Amino acid sequence: QQQVKQSPQSLIVQKGGIPIINCAYENTAFDYFPWYQQFPGKGPALLIAIRPDVSEKKEGRFTISFNKSAKQFSLHIMDSQPGDSATYFCAVSSGGSYIPTFGRGTSLIVHP
Amino acid sequence: SQTIHQWPATLVQPVGSPLSLECTVEGTSNPNLYWYRQAAGRGLQLLFYSVGIGQISSEVPQNLSASRPQDRQFILSSKKLLLSDSGFYLCAWSVVGAYGYTFGSGTRLTVV
Repeated sequence: QQQVKQSPQSLIVQKGGIPIINCAYENTAFDYFPWYQQFPGKGPALLIAIRPDVSEKKEGRFTISFNKSAKQFSLHIMDSQPGDSATYFCAVSSGGSYIPTFGRGTSLIVHP
Repeated sequence: SQTIHQWPATLVQPVGSPLSLECTVEGTSNPNLYWYRQAAGRGLQLLFYSVGIGQISSEVPQNLSASRPQDRQFILSSKKLLLSDSGFYLCAWSVVGAYGYTFGSGTRLTVV
């Protein structure tokens, strides 16, 4: 059973657009929701993360929106740039196990 | 500051040959260590994790093994590689009792 479902699998936007990547989870015990960014040939890097006590977190052009009742969270990239082209992974973790469960990833392409 | 080193960056090995991938972490003590595999265009599959020297937990039964001979050293091995072992192997570390991973730069393994 997939503990976190990520969509879409791929996304193409024009420069300046606002791509949105969504993740849904089932287990209400999860209490840490990070997003990782991976460029081709590189390891993923932690981009931004949120705890369930807040509904939104912004870091630069990246925003996480969190809906606890719907058990969903999403990544928004404002004013997207070609340099944002990468694969994005959501993940979920809980204090019972600090090992995250990753979504399957979203390949984002931002055209100039 | 903490850094993670993973080598080699790329590797081409014939079927049936042995494998040894090494990962070391600097600037921290007693980290949790992880090995992941990422098949082309796919998500992150946890292979092994370790919470201490000599302590290895396997997530996926297969012909790979892992060892942790020193506190900050994690090794992924195989006695005989299969074609299906091809992929992008990532080492990661985390602080005990804390969320958030730091990934290495990965090893691209091609079994021919």
